[in-house]
Amino acid sequence: EVQLLESGGRLVQPGGSLRLSCTASGFTFNIYAMSWVRQAPGKGLEWVAAMSRRGGTTYYADSVKGRFTISRDNSKNTLYLQMNSLRDEDTAVYYCAKQGAEVVVINAYFDYWGPGTLVTVSS
Amino acid sequence: DIQMTQSPSSLSASVGDRITITCQASQDISNFLNWYQQKPGKAPKLLIYDASNLETGVPSRFGGSSSGTDFTFTISSLQPEDIATYYCQQYENLPFTFGPGTKVDLK
Repeated sequence: EVQLLESGGRLVQPGGSLRLSCTASGFTFNIYAMSWVRQAPGKGLEWVAAMSRRGGTTYYADSVKGRFTISRDNSKNTLYLQMNSLRDEDTAVYYCAKQGAEVVVINAYFDYWGPGTLVTVSS
Repeated sequence: DIQMTQSPSSLSASVGDRITITCQASQDISNFLNWYQQKPGKAPKLLIYDASNLETGVPSRFGGSSSGTDFTFTISSLQPEDIATYYCQQYENLPFTFGPGTKVDLK
């Protein structure tokens, strides 16, 4: 059974930093691209970042470019999101999602999602 | 960025009704369009990929089709467990973008 489990979300002050983790099981993690998708309270879904299977290619939404860094450790079946210079508008539930292929831009459907972790940016 | 619009933003229907949701892309996205279901407090679930392909394990009452830049999502016979918000998502271009969602509830 495919499982994704995010962790690391908490209350953080504006300008602060946070690292989210997503631990995967039930599938061969190192052959799939992965993404982070977020959802602000009461709002819709926003894709945040994606990484190819080996980590050689990364993409970011303009809203987080230069502040967030996606990475992965295939030996630990774990995806990360380093979040720096956090803003109020980054408050959201952050989901990690498995994509359908090894390359980010091919079969870019999100076929498995974790339950999400809440990041609250507030003073 | 490719903008995705959905209509209606919400709808009320009865059990057994056929419902249709439309998603329109701001430019050609071929068939690179996916549909998700999200229930309150839960993660989204993939239902349809590449406009019309039913994800494994998804009931056959769910369906999708396309015509140019217009995409249609259908539930042929609404069930109580289908009460949720439905999102479309394109992946023709980065950034991947989602529609604003359509909330479906029971009349």
